[in-house]
Amino acid sequence: DIQMTQSPSSLSASVGDRVTITCRASQSITNYLNWYQQKPGKAPKLLISAASSLQSGVPARFSGSGSGTDFTLTISSLQPEDFATYYCQQGYSSLFTFGPGTKVDIK
Amino acid sequence: QVQLVESGGTVVQPGRSLRLSCAASGFTFSAYGMHWVRQAPGKGLEWVAVIWYDGSKKYYADSVKGRFTISRDNSQNTVYLQMSSLRAEDTALYYCARGSGSHLDYWGQGTRVTISS
Repeated sequence: DIQMTQSPSSLSASVGDRVTITCRASQSITNYLNWYQQKPGKAPKLLISAASSLQSGVPARFSGSGSGTDFTLTISSLQPEDFATYYCQQGYSSLFTFGPGTKVDIK
Repeated sequence: QVQLVESGGTVVQPGRSLRLSCAASGFTFSAYGMHWVRQAPGKGLEWVAVIWYDGSKKYYADSVKGRFTISRDNSQNTVYLQMSSLRAEDTALYYCARGSGSHLDYWGQGTRVTISS
């Protein structure tokens, strides 16, 4: 199975900060990498698919990059509604796997 | 609009069985693969299983393989997760999600399963 790791596991940031979250796959997944946002008590929400394709309605301050094994989610200017946990997920294999998550909270 | 509504979650004893359902609406159900994803209390997301749009292929996480069975009824727009030999570590909120290629674009609100004696 393909293993996913994320770093950091948590971070504290202020409104307006630039935030970067890294996701790494245990083998090449080309660009089959997706990012989700989950707020407490809510279902996950798809933010970015295929490593860099922003979903409709997702603010442009979110961006994704990477290919192969290393990927990045960037929030260019953190907003109050962005405090949440972020997960990466690989869809290269029929057996999907998620990263362990990165919790973004208020400094 | 796309809607996914899970049901069937409850408290069940270890070793017993349980079937979860997910009723879909707002899209052509028979054209999409469907997934189950779970989240243990305070933990991250764990992908559980997928069934192809026509039911022809099914894949499972190693943690549930041989104990869980995913199925679907395209005439009823419903996907199921039959869980057997349940263990304490199966305690989680179970989400169904629509597969769109390699990602999950719509999710339900989840149904809670607690395994406890």
